[in-house]
Amino acid sequence: DTEVTQTPKHLVMGMTNKKSLKCEQHMGHRAMYWYKQKAKKPPELMFVYSYEKLSINESVPSRFSPECPNSSLLNLHLHALQPEDSALYLCASSQTGTGASAFFGQGTRLTVV
Amino acid sequence: GDSVTQMEGPVTLSEEAFLTINCTYTATGYPSLFWYVQYPGEGLQLLLKATKADDKGSNKGFEATYRKETTSFHLEKGSVQVSDSAVYFCALSDPPGGYNKLIFGAGTRLAVHP
Repeated sequence: DTEVTQTPKHLVMGMTNKKSLKCEQHMGHRAMYWYKQKAKKPPELMFVYSYEKLSINESVPSRFSPECPNSSLLNLHLHALQPEDSALYLCASSQTGTGASAFFGQGTRLTVV
Repeated sequence: GDSVTQMEGPVTLSEEAFLTINCTYTATGYPSLFWYVQYPGEGLQLLLKATKADDKGSNKGFEATYRKETTSFHLEKGSVQVSDSAVYFCALSDPPGGYNKLIFGAGTRLAVHP
């Protein structure tokens, strides 16, 4: 099973709303990632968790707050977003160690109105 | 810093044509190299990978060889199908920290016509 499951698939939120994106994997991977992808652009890394600890924050604004409750789950909490934050948010997971393949979920299409 | 450069698209081919998508990289260490494919409205799927020089990754008729001397990882397929129409991303990971941060190229859109 190489599946990473993301919910919801689509989300529309106002600029004053609070929402959360969820990601789940059962491959035993100990590294999990959030990427942001704007239209017709490549994915850009936002956060990396390794063994449930935040390892990389790519200078992401504080209105994005990640959380890794356990080794299978990854959340992204959203608050006071801007319209320019509208994008496809992709979760991925991988084994740790050199050359390990990252497996991506289908993404959450976020629209901020 | 590390970077990946892909040929600009879109690439438009007829069914059964030969495909090459060029990819070159710059890295300070000894990266692993990947090709991912993204179909419309979907996430990324791993297509193939190579982790050391002269390794050839292959999957579903696609191939790419890790060339350290030319810092390249070009994607090829001998006979494309309409179903191969998608965006293809070349990527590298150069992980010092035990995880695999991916750096992507800009992506190349492939359109295959019957």
